[in-house]
Amino acid sequence: KAGVTQTPRYLIKTRGQQVTLSCSPISGHRSVSWYQQTPGQGLQFLFEYFSETQRNKGNFPGRFSGRQFSNSRSEMNVSTLELGDSALYLCASGTQQGANVLTFGAGSRLTVL
Amino acid sequence: DQQVKQNSPSLSVQEGRISILNCDYTNSMFDYFLWYKKYPAEGPTFLISISSIKDKNEDGRFTVFLNKSAKHLSLHIVPSQPGDSAVYFCAATDSGGSNYKLTFGKGTLLTVNP
Repeated sequence: KAGVTQTPRYLIKTRGQQVTLSCSPISGHRSVSWYQQTPGQGLQFLFEYFSETQRNKGNFPGRFSGRQFSNSRSEMNVSTLELGDSALYLCASGTQQGANVLTFGAGSRLTVL
Repeated sequence: DQQVKQNSPSLSVQEGRISILNCDYTNSMFDYFLWYKKYPAEGPTFLISISSIKDKNEDGRFTVFLNKSAKHLSLHIVPSQPGDSAVYFCAATDSGGSNYKLTFGKGTLLTVNP
């Protein structure tokens, strides 16, 4: 079955702009999580959605937001981009059955100039 | 405050030998631990996990050991193969693994030399 699909794979923005990233989870997976990966900080949890509701949130400023649609697809948005937002943004989906394992997408590489 | 620490940024081993990757955690609420492997230009892929009620879990060449009193876990790969060369991330969560909020370490780059 198809994996987790993230679009776009690469994008370049300038400071002050906003960006929207998209994630299509594995069919049947209702949970979608977002992580930011940077060389200095590793993978950091942004937020998790389940059935269109945000269940968990990491320690990121309000410029980072997300949502989940009824078909479980998710988007995350970053407004007023800063240079430090340059990172690989990873989406992951899970099934919520017992001990859960996340399946990650390949990520969206954002560069802020 | 880094709750999951992988103190070795890199590790190099010879093919056929054992690779040991280490991870320490500080949050005593963590009760489920996972290892992920990441190749360049790909997302992390799940490797193996362990619940805090166990001290060892084995899957083929991969074994994870958990020492709760020391808040330490390790991943053993035996024998190591060149295809194992990747970045390995240790992750932890609470609520027995039903919580998708994973806390990751910064990763260890494993290089297996032929």
